[in-house]
This record gives sequence, structure tokens and C-alpha cells, in this order.
Amino acid sequence: GIQVEQSPPDLILQEGANSTLRCNFSDSVNNLQWFHQNPWGQLINLFYIPSGTKQNGRLSATTVATERYSLLYISSSQTTDSGVYFCAVRVDYKLSFGAGTTVTVRA
Amino acid sequence: DTGVSQNPRHKITKRGQNVTFRCDPISEHNRLYWYRQTLGQGPEFLTYFQNEAQLEKSRLLSDRFSAERPKGSFSTLEIQRTEQGDSAMYLCASSPGTVQPQHFGDGTRLSIL
Repeated sequence: GIQVEQSPPDLILQEGANSTLRCNFSDSVNNLQWFHQNPWGQLINLFYIPSGTKQNGRLSATTVATERYSLLYISSSQTTDSGVYFCAVRVDYKLSFGAGTTVTVRA
Repeated sequence: DTGVSQNPRHKITKRGQNVTFRCDPISEHNRLYWYRQTLGQGPEFLTYFQNEAQLEKSRLLSDRFSAERPKGSFSTLEIQRTEQGDSAMYLCASSPGTVQPQHFGDGTRLSIL
């Protein structure tokens, strides 16, 4: 099956800092989603981004499908950004998730 | 759009007992998916419904697991004779079609004593 690798596995930020999370995948995909899992376990949709760049407030994402990677940018981080960020790629109808990047934002 | 609803949120049971979880998808979403997430891992695909038809079951789903979606609306996931290794978060997602994004519920956290 398709392999999804996320880096870094852990990230500690000071409030206000910027960061970039990366997702590499091993094969062509139909689409890609970024999620934020908060400390209560809820998976929140951030982006549906099979290709190109999208922005939503302090977050933005870029997917380069031909090179099989996606980037998630967090700017001016806040403590509420803490949690695990997952990249998931869709082949046919099922999502395959990476292992996630655990982000801790310190005040 | 009230979101995907899952019940119960938490379930604690003794090893060997049967448990059943329910998922109510977003209305008019005819695709429904079950995933399982163990500690420190990303969710893993379990099974997929298009309307009432179960189109795929992962090999992660042993014979002790069964899922139904009787009228193409809500779905249930049953685990018989639970084992310690079944402890996990069980997540349900829905989408209006296969090309649209999947939206997840808050999950059911299962703990086996």
C-alpha cells in the first residue's frame, strides 16, 4: 500500500513562532487532506488540497502532487495550535494517514 | 450540517464482552467509513459503505468485527468477545462522494479491562 511519511515527528514552538510540517507520499493519490487532532481526540479538517496552495487564517498548505509532497505552514503560532497534525492521502476511497507531527506551543 | 455523530464517546468493558458503537453521518452523505486509531498512530481504515452496501473490509477486521448500515443512514460497528488489543479510538467518517473530503466524528474510545 501507499506509504505516508510526516516530518518532523515532534515540534516544540514558542508562541508567535512560525513552522513548516512536511508530508511525503510514495505514489500518485486522488487527493490529500490535512487534519488537526486536538487534545480531546477530535479530528478537525484543515485543508482538502490535492494540488496547489490554500490559506485559512494563520494556516496555509501547499501540495506538489507531481513531486509527491505537501507542506503545512503555521504562522504566528498560538497555544491552541497544540495537538497532532495528520496528513492523509486518498487512493480510491480510503484515506491512508501518516504517523503525525505532534506540535507543542509554549506560552 | 450537524456533523458526524458517534455514540458512546467512551466505553469501558471487560475482556470477552461484546460492544456496539453507533455512527450517524452527515445527512445526505451516502459514503460512510470506519477507522481505528491506536495510541501514537494515525487512523487506519477498517471498512467502507456506499449507501447500505459494504464495499470493502480491511484485513484488520477479524471475524469478531461486524459493521452494518441497514438503511443507508446510520451505521453500527460491533466487536464480539473483546480482547485487550481492541482498545483504541474508533472513528467514523462520511462524505457525499468519493472525491469529496471525509468528515470525521469525535470517535468512540474503547478501553478493555
